[in-house]
Amino acid sequence: SQTIHQWPATLVQPVGSPLSLECTVEGTSNPNLYWYRQAAGRGLQLLFYSVGIGQISSEVPQNLSASRPQDRQFILSSKKLLLSDSGFYLCAWKVTDYSPLHFGNGTRLTVT
Amino acid sequence: GNSVTQMEGPVTLSEEAFLTINCTYTATGYPSLFWYVQYPGEGLQLLLKATKADDKGSNKGFEATYRKETTSFHLEKGSVQVSDSAVYFCALSEGSGGYQKVTFGTGTKLQVIP
Repeated sequence: SQTIHQWPATLVQPVGSPLSLECTVEGTSNPNLYWYRQAAGRGLQLLFYSVGIGQISSEVPQNLSASRPQDRQFILSSKKLLLSDSGFYLCAWKVTDYSPLHFGNGTRLTVT
Repeated sequence: GNSVTQMEGPVTLSEEAFLTINCTYTATGYPSLFWYVQYPGEGLQLLLKATKADDKGSNKGFEATYRKETTSFHLEKGSVQVSDSAVYFCALSEGSGGYQKVTFGTGTKLQVIP
């Protein structure tokens, strides 16, 4: 069966520090991969998506970046965090037109 | 572009009350429609889905029918429980040739009181 792992679960980082969040998917091949952010009390904002290794598309320009070094690995990064980067980050995957998104458990990031 | 509009929350109901959360959408083609549920501190879980017009998705007592004529996918449950308290998201998925674009509504918080 397919599973998605996202870590860490919580993270507290100072302003200006780097960030690396990792997401891996097991049990499927060549999935579409997504990073979403959910600010407190708000909906989901799509940050990045990837249809294949090394292929990254950004939906919202900001100081975050994403990489997909392997088929089932998706990494969200920043060189210097801002206070506004605080939020709940969710990784997700999908394979076909009719299949749903499958989400990880999320990372709660607090930038202080 | 595609969009999903959900009713504003929070929605507060007594246990065993009837639930309706409205969702309407705009899309250029023939999307698949989904309801997701998010419990506090967790990621989103698929609640139900419908892939074509007049399909009814159902799960855990929740139902939603894909209405193409009204571009709606309203979520209903006949008798809510305290454990149903969560945030509910309506979403649509559309695309081909590799990338599946998924658009979410803003979410509706449901609070069920005993």
